[in-house]
Amino acid sequence: GEDVEQSLFLSVREGDSSVINCTYTDSSSTYLYWYKQEPGAGLQLLTYIFSNMDMKQDQRLTVLLNKKDKHLSLRIADTQTGDSAIYFCAEKGGYSTLTFGKGTMLLVSP
Amino acid sequence: GAVVSQHPSWVICKSGTSVKIECRSLDFQATTMFWYRQFPKQSLMLMATSNEGSKATYEQGVEKDKFLINHASLTLSTLTVTSAHPEDSSFYICSARTGIEQETQYFGPGTRLLVL
Repeated sequence: GEDVEQSLFLSVREGDSSVINCTYTDSSSTYLYWYKQEPGAGLQLLTYIFSNMDMKQDQRLTVLLNKKDKHLSLRIADTQTGDSAIYFCAEKGGYSTLTFGKGTMLLVSP
Repeated sequence: GAVVSQHPSWVICKSGTSVKIECRSLDFQATTMFWYRQFPKQSLMLMATSNEGSKATYEQGVEKDKFLINHASLTLSTLTVTSAHPEDSSFYICSARTGIEQETQYFGPGTRLLVL
C-alpha cells in the first residue's frame, strides 16, 4: 500500500523556525496536508497543497512540495511554545482516502 | 465554520458490552464521513468510509460486524463497537467532508474508549 514517512521528533527553541519533513510514495497524490494534534485532541487542519503547486504560504506556515522527489515540508516561522504538538503529514490518493504519516512531535522550548 | 463534534469524548465500559460513538457535523452537511482509529504514538488508521444513506465501505482487516457504522443523515454518523474487548481500547476519531469541498476533511475531537 501507499506509505507516508516522517521523522518522529523535532526540538527547537522559541523564536526559531521549525521544518518538518515528510516523504510519500503515492505518485497519484492529488492533495497533501498538514494536520496538528494537541494532546488528547483530534486533528486540526493547518494547511494543504494541491499536487501541481510547489509552494504555499499562510501566515507563519510555508509548505514546500517537491513532486519529483515526493517530498513535502512544513516550515513554521517564529515558532512559539503553543506550537508544541504532533504534526501529521497526509496525502490524498486515487481513492480519495487519506494516508497519514506517524506524526512528528514538535517540542518548543522557551 | 466546519466544526465536527463527537460524543462521548471518553468512555469506559466492561468487556462484552457495546458502545456507540456519535459524530456530528455542526455547521455543514457531510455527504461523507470517515472513521479512524489511533493507537498511542501511532498514526491514524482509516477504518471505514460512510456515505449518507448507503452502507459503509470498510478497510481491509476491519470487521464490519464488530464496528457497525450508520450514516442516516447528512449531519450524523455513528460507530458502534459491539461486544467490546480490551484490545478495542483506542482513540476513535471521525472526520467529515462536504460534497462540494472534496479536498478537505474536518476532524472531530476524538473519543477515547477504554474497555476493562
